[in-house]
Amino acid sequence: DSGVTQTPKHLITATGQRVTLRCSPRSGDLSVYWYQQSLDQGLQFLIQYYNGEERAKGNILERFSAQQFPDLHSELNLSSLELGDSALYFCASSAGDRGWTGANVLTFGAGSRLTVL
Amino acid sequence: GESVGLHLPTLSVQEGDNSIINCAYSNSASDYFIWYKQESGKGPQFIIDIRSNMDKRQGQRVTVLLNKTVKHLSLQIAATQPGDSAVYFCAESRSNFGNEKLTFGTGTRLTIIP
Repeated sequence: DSGVTQTPKHLITATGQRVTLRCSPRSGDLSVYWYQQSLDQGLQFLIQYYNGEERAKGNILERFSAQQFPDLHSELNLSSLELGDSALYFCASSAGDRGWTGANVLTFGAGSRLTVL
Repeated sequence: GESVGLHLPTLSVQEGDNSIINCAYSNSASDYFIWYKQESGKGPQFIIDIRSNMDKRQGQRVTVLLNKTVKHLSLQIAATQPGDSAVYFCAESRSNFGNEKLTFGTGTRLTIIP
C-alpha cells in the first residue's frame, strides 16, 4: 500500500457520460498530480495541485477538470466521455517542496481504470 | 520538442544476469531524474533517483548512471530475479518553482527468463 488511495478502481461507462475519480494523497503530502496512461503507453501528465491551488497544467483536455479540496483530497472530473478516454488514471502525491535535496519523489496510487463503451 | 525516451521498448534477460535499461532525454535543463517500476495492474513504484550534480547512485541491486554530456540515463539491475519483470520508466524534472511535475518516458518492458 503506497498510502495514496484512488477510487473507484474500475469504472465502465458510456460515451457522452461524466465521471469523477477521487484521490486521497499520502498523509502529509501537499501536492497531488494526475496522470493518464493509455494502453501500453507512458504516463501523460494532466495537472498538479499544491495545497488547494493549481500548480501546473499538462495535456489536459478542456472536457476534463480537477480540484483539490481543503482536506487535500483531489477529484478529476471527466465529461462528454469519448472512446479514446479509456485509460488508467493515476493520482500521485508528493510533499510538494523539493527542499535542499532537489528531489521530488512522487508516490503513485493503484490507479482507476476507466472503460468507455 | 522536449522528450524523455527509451532506446528499446522490450528487454529479455536470463534470471541471475544483470540488466541495463537505457533512457535518453533532450532537455539540458533537467536536473533531477528518477526511475519507476510498474508491475502489471499496479501503479508506478519508485526505484531510485539521481540529481544532475551526480554521475552515479547505487541502491539495493540497482545503480543509476547519468551522463549529462550525451543526455543519457541508465538503470542497472544486478542479479535479476523473476520479480524484476515489469515496465520501467525514467522520468525527469527541472528545478523551477511551481514545476515539480515529472515527465515520463514511454517505458521499457523487462522480462526475466527463468
